[in-house]
Amino acid sequence: DAGVIQSPRHEVTEMGQEVTLRCKPISGHNSLFWYRQTMMRGLELLIYFNNNVPIDDSGMPEDRFSAKMPNASFSTLKIQPSEPRDSAVYFCASSLTTRYNEQFFGPGTRLTVL
Amino acid sequence: KNEVEQSPQNLTAQEGEFITINCSYSVGISALHWLQQHPGGGIVSLFMLSSGKKKHGRLIATINIQEKHSSLHITASHPRDSAVYICAVTGNQFYFGTGTSLTVIP
Repeated sequence: DAGVIQSPRHEVTEMGQEVTLRCKPISGHNSLFWYRQTMMRGLELLIYFNNNVPIDDSGMPEDRFSAKMPNASFSTLKIQPSEPRDSAVYFCASSLTTRYNEQFFGPGTRLTVL
Repeated sequence: KNEVEQSPQNLTAQEGEFITINCSYSVGISALHWLQQHPGGGIVSLFMLSSGKKKHGRLIATINIQEKHSSLHITASHPRDSAVYICAVTGNQFYFGTGTSLTVIP
């Protein structure tokens, strides 16, 4: 199994641009999570999907952030417009059934907004 | 106030030492996770606990639900154990500790 796949691994963009991060969960996993990690705030959960449905999006910072999961094998996290304070590492993780199961993390996308 | 507190924040040990990292939480939970993040940035889930104790190789994790406390123990520590260890709890919401940075010196 390839594990959780994220792309791109690194993204550098200018303030105001749209950024799209992509995630492919482990096949057969029903839950998907998007996290953000910064030095100041540590790890934060942004959104949690179960069976492709957003269950908890209380961590999404503001309307500039949106996430979709059109099918069981793909999810996107979009930031529009991006701001320098969005610079962080964004992790995607998946688990077999619910958020109470072991999570498997992707390698992360390091986003830099200039 | 942080819902999850870890101690110590930083820890340096000699190779072979027994290491304990502590995690206390203040919210009701359904599960507690111990995560390991290596210097390269990748995150690995070490344990998920809802009660009792789990062991995997040289790692042992315990949880006391009544006291809202968990410990991660590393026996016979090795330089490759050097990483940041993060405690996370899941209940109605997710809460993360700020991590314990462990350095094991040869």
